[in-house]
Amino acid sequence: AQSVTQPDIHITVSEGASLELRCNYSYGATPYLFWYVQSPGQGLQLLLKYFSGDTLVQGIKGFEAEFKRSQSSFNLRKPSVHWSDAAEYFCAVGSGSARQLTFGSGTQLTVLP
Amino acid sequence: DVKVTQSSRYLVKRTGEKVFLECVQDMDHENMFWYRQDPGLGLRLIYFSYDVKMKEKGDIPEGYSVSREKKERFSLILESASTNQTSMYLCASSWDRVWNTEAFFGQGTRLTVV
Repeated sequence: AQSVTQPDIHITVSEGASLELRCNYSYGATPYLFWYVQSPGQGLQLLLKYFSGDTLVQGIKGFEAEFKRSQSSFNLRKPSVHWSDAAEYFCAVGSGSARQLTFGSGTQLTVLP
Repeated sequence: DVKVTQSSRYLVKRTGEKVFLECVQDMDHENMFWYRQDPGLGLRLIYFSYDVKMKEKGDIPEGYSVSREKKERFSLILESASTNQTSMYLCASSWDRVWNTEAFFGQGTRLTVV
């Protein structure tokens, strides 16, 4: 069965600093990978997705992620964090008849002024 | 814009009550999903549906059922609510059999069972 691990429960960075959120997956076939963001009191918004092709994918709000098959990782990065990026971030792998998502446990990001 | 609408943002119900959570999407999506979100556990799939009147169990279906009588509507039913079902419930929808797609989420319903 597929699984997703986000090893960092909570990360704190200063505004303007770079950010990397880690995600490791376990899946037997070619993974379909996603990063979602959830602002307080809101639903989930897709940041970016990987299906095939270029292993470096660009998303919204200046985020990018790199798929590394050898490390089973799909880490999310941003070169300069803004205060509005404070939120919870979820990595997910899609599989099954309806491509249902299996989520990691999430990483809460705090941004210091 | 795709819109997934959940009928309630907040619900408070008593133990043993039958609870209905409603979800409507306006993009003619084939797939619809119900997830439960709990701190430290992320989102866990309860049930999903890939067509009208079709349903499949997810990872944690116990204590829940679903109904999909129309393509745009997917209901989650708690037959007899219990305190351990206090949680945030998120509905989502997506197109079918097109991998270059994404799941769109509703705002969530925070259910408290007392």
